[in-house]
Amino acid sequence: QKEVEQDPGPLSVPEGAIVSLNCTYSNSAFQYFMWYRQYSRKGPELLMYTYSSGNKEDGRFTAQVDKSSKYISLFIRDSQPSDSATYLCAMSTNAGGTSYGKLTFGQGTILTVHP
Amino acid sequence: DTGVSQNPRHKITKRGQNVTFRCDPISEHNRLYWYRQTLGQGPEFLTYFQNEAQLEKSRLLSDRFSAERPKGSFSTLEIQRTEQGDSAMYLCASSSHREGYGYTFGSGTRLTVV
Repeated sequence: QKEVEQDPGPLSVPEGAIVSLNCTYSNSAFQYFMWYRQYSRKGPELLMYTYSSGNKEDGRFTAQVDKSSKYISLFIRDSQPSDSATYLCAMSTNAGGTSYGKLTFGQGTILTVHP
Repeated sequence: DTGVSQNPRHKITKRGQNVTFRCDPISEHNRLYWYRQTLGQGPEFLTYFQNEAQLEKSRLLSDRFSAERPKGSFSTLEIQRTEQGDSAMYLCASSSHREGYGYTFGSGTRLTVV
């Protein structure tokens, strides 16, 4: 069993829809949770970062973490065709400071937003 | 600074040949990471440098793989005696100690072993 599981999709939605992306994990030591977006033939870029349980909002994006259920989500409101990409969840047991924050990624969800 | 630069962008090689990739991190970043990503999968950690010191290597990094970061600047990843299973995207990322989680990734080097 992988440490981080992510539904690969693909997910296809109409423009303006609300998108929900999810990951589950098994390692209770994970404390830092990230969502990356990866366009075709590009490296991942950081979208959202959260620590511990709770919600974090940034524009059209909301990240949720439920550590008791070992479950994280990313919601995209008013989705746009430019949001079409692969979305990767990533987790770390530490964020830097005294250590280096090695990331464990999910396998990615391919999202297509059609006009 | 234009971000993390990786060269070449694409490499096609015959099985058994050696290949070397280069990564130039963001200049003020002291941490450098290599990840490997195969089709339909998320990136997998390979190795990590803090300045010039290689502090961790994944079990994924067999003896045919070697990485260096001389003088704590650019890094190279060499694969000797390539195998078809080495075909993947090799991603480099860098960060500073203040943003350990906030990696900046390069666009990767796509390796195809034929």
